[in-house]
Amino acid sequence: QMQLQESGPGLVKPSETLSLTCTVSGYSISSGYFWGWIRQPPGKGLEWLGTVYHSGTSFYNPSLKSRVTISVDTSKNQFSLKLSSVTAADTAIYYCARIVDPIAESDLWGQGTLVTVSS
Amino acid sequence: QSVLTQPPSVSGAPGQRVTISCTGSSSNIGAGYGVHWYQHLPGAAPKLLIYGYTNRPSGVPDRFSGSKSGTSASLAITGLQAEDEADYYCQSYDSSLSVLFGGGTKLTVL
Repeated sequence: QMQLQESGPGLVKPSETLSLTCTVSGYSISSGYFWGWIRQPPGKGLEWLGTVYHSGTSFYNPSLKSRVTISVDTSKNQFSLKLSSVTAADTAIYYCARIVDPIAESDLWGQGTLVTVSS
Repeated sequence: QSVLTQPPSVSGAPGQRVTISCTGSSSNIGAGYGVHWYQHLPGAAPKLLIYGYTNRPSGVPDRFSGSKSGTSASLAITGLQAEDEADYYCQSYDSSLSVLFGGGTKLTVL
């Protein structure tokens, strides 16, 4: 049974870099599909952050492109999110997901992890 | 404000039928990019309900169905059950090179 699990600090200071990792179990990242990050600020809707392929090819939300980096580590079967220069507006539940195609649906999601930006 | 517009809330009694709309434009839904729907319960991972306008993943009841017309798409839920109470999101792609989500619709089962 395939699962995704987010991990990383739950508290990040303003202006610092938010770093999260998604560990995939039950499926090899190198076998296919795309992998991505989506977030949900408190009381708000979902926002796509970016998508990566196991080759390292990545696609980012144009509104966040200058601050977002998504990378993949096939040896650990993980992919990661880095969001730089964070502010309180980046406080959100961050989800990792398996994506069928860069413009298509996410068919499997992690449980999500809350990241709070505060000093 | 989301580029894909959903009603903030809908409601219905058990057994009834409800629909949730997702209105886009000629650069996303109207351009032929697929629309996908998710069910999101508080504290849980979002669950894919419909992909490619009308397709249901294995295990999703046929009470859930999707449709598309022009620059809009809709999710219909028939035979409403208490367990259907959740937030529902539509998703598509835009020619601005971005994956888009609707603002979400809270379904209340009366």
